[in-house]
Amino acid sequence: AQSVTQLGSHVSVSEGALVLLRCNYSSSVPPYLFWYVQYPNQGLQLLLKYTSAATLVKGINGFEAEFKKSETSFHLTKPSAHMSDAAEYFCAVSDQGAQKLVFGQGTRLTINP
Amino acid sequence: DGGITQSPKYLFRKEGQNVTLSCEQNLNHDAMYWYRQDPGQGLRLIYYSQIVNDFQKGDIAEGYSVSREKKESFPLTVTSAQKNPTAFYLCASSRGTTKNIQYFGAGTRLSVL
Repeated sequence: AQSVTQLGSHVSVSEGALVLLRCNYSSSVPPYLFWYVQYPNQGLQLLLKYTSAATLVKGINGFEAEFKKSETSFHLTKPSAHMSDAAEYFCAVSDQGAQKLVFGQGTRLTINP
Repeated sequence: DGGITQSPKYLFRKEGQNVTLSCEQNLNHDAMYWYRQDPGQGLRLIYYSQIVNDFQKGDIAEGYSVSREKKESFPLTVTSAQKNPTAFYLCASSRGTTKNIQYFGAGTRLSVL
């Protein structure tokens, strides 16, 4: 069964600093991997996805993630944090062809002025 | 505009009452999903449907029921058997097996009176 672990339920960075949100997955077959963002009292919005093409994936709002098979990781980064990045971020994994996503527990990102 | 509409935004349930959450999509997606979100627990799958007139239980289906009579609609009923219904409920849809990108509605917050 697939699973996702997000290290750190809360991450706090200063405005302009590097953002790094960690995600490790477990899957018996090559996975599809996703990062979603959720603003307060809203649904989830797709940031980016990995579907077995390039290992470095660029998404919206300046975020990117790198798929590392040897480390079973898919960490999310952004070079310079902005106040508007404050939100909750979810990593998710799915088997190719499967209909279900398995979500991590989420990481709440706080940006300090 | 294409999208997923959830209603109502806020819902209150009395003891012993069944309540129904609405989810409608105009994206022409085959698959639809219901998730429950509790603080610190990420998203947990309640039910999902890949085609009309067919649905499967997710990880936490007890106390919930669904129907899929139309492609665009996937209502969720929270029954009186669900003893802890207070949560944020999210509906999503996706286009069959295509890379499993799920698109989310804005959610319904259910509270118990």
